[in-house]
Amino acid sequence: DADVTQTPRNRITKTGKRIMLECSQTKGHDRMYWYRQDPGLGLRLIYYSFDVKDINKGEISDGYSVSRQAQAKFSLSLESAIPNQTALYFCATSAASGGAYEQYFGPGTRLTVT
Amino acid sequence: GENVEQHPSTLSVQEGDSAVIKCTYSDSASNYFPWYKQELGKGPQLIIDIRSNVGEKKDQRIAVTLNKTAKHFSLHITETQPEDSAVYFCAASRGDDKIIFGKGTRLHILP
Repeated sequence: DADVTQTPRNRITKTGKRIMLECSQTKGHDRMYWYRQDPGLGLRLIYYSFDVKDINKGEISDGYSVSRQAQAKFSLSLESAIPNQTALYFCATSAASGGAYEQYFGPGTRLTVT
Repeated sequence: GENVEQHPSTLSVQEGDSAVIKCTYSDSASNYFPWYKQELGKGPQLIIDIRSNVGEKKDQRIAVTLNKTAKHFSLHITETQPEDSAVYFCAASRGDDKIIFGKGTRLHILP
């Protein structure tokens, strides 16, 4: 969905490096989410944000941090990457008026930590 | 917290046949149950959803059913076509903050 963009689309990094994944949206939604997808484990929530001043931890936030720079931008950082953070990462948005109803996902970032 | 179980993990059906994917949830306060389809190389996309005040919902070849008493819901795809091949995720939510996803079902449509 072109309304939600993620950069980079693919990234290979080494253990111990700091890396930032970026998400931008043009849907005008207040709520933004970061998920991690691993084979056989589905989508797991890392962090979510209801607005610029509201950040919440999801079920697997350890080792990650986020920044909501603006309503349209939500970044995910790995301060010191480790191999088990190799995964597919998705950003999603939803409208505040709809609660968690209908989340719109970006195309994903494939991250490999060697 | 909410836990969503999804079965089967892989499903192969002959083109033209029906496919059924089943999910259970644990939180009786959940009231919103979406289904997402993920095609290769893309993010998940909502295909149908159901709210707890409805028992069944249809949209062309896809339908969802919800049994609140048993806490389970299902996705039914009829007259399957090659483009139905994808990974399908069920999910549950209280509708307030976050959605909890199942682990996914990889659906193969056989020619």
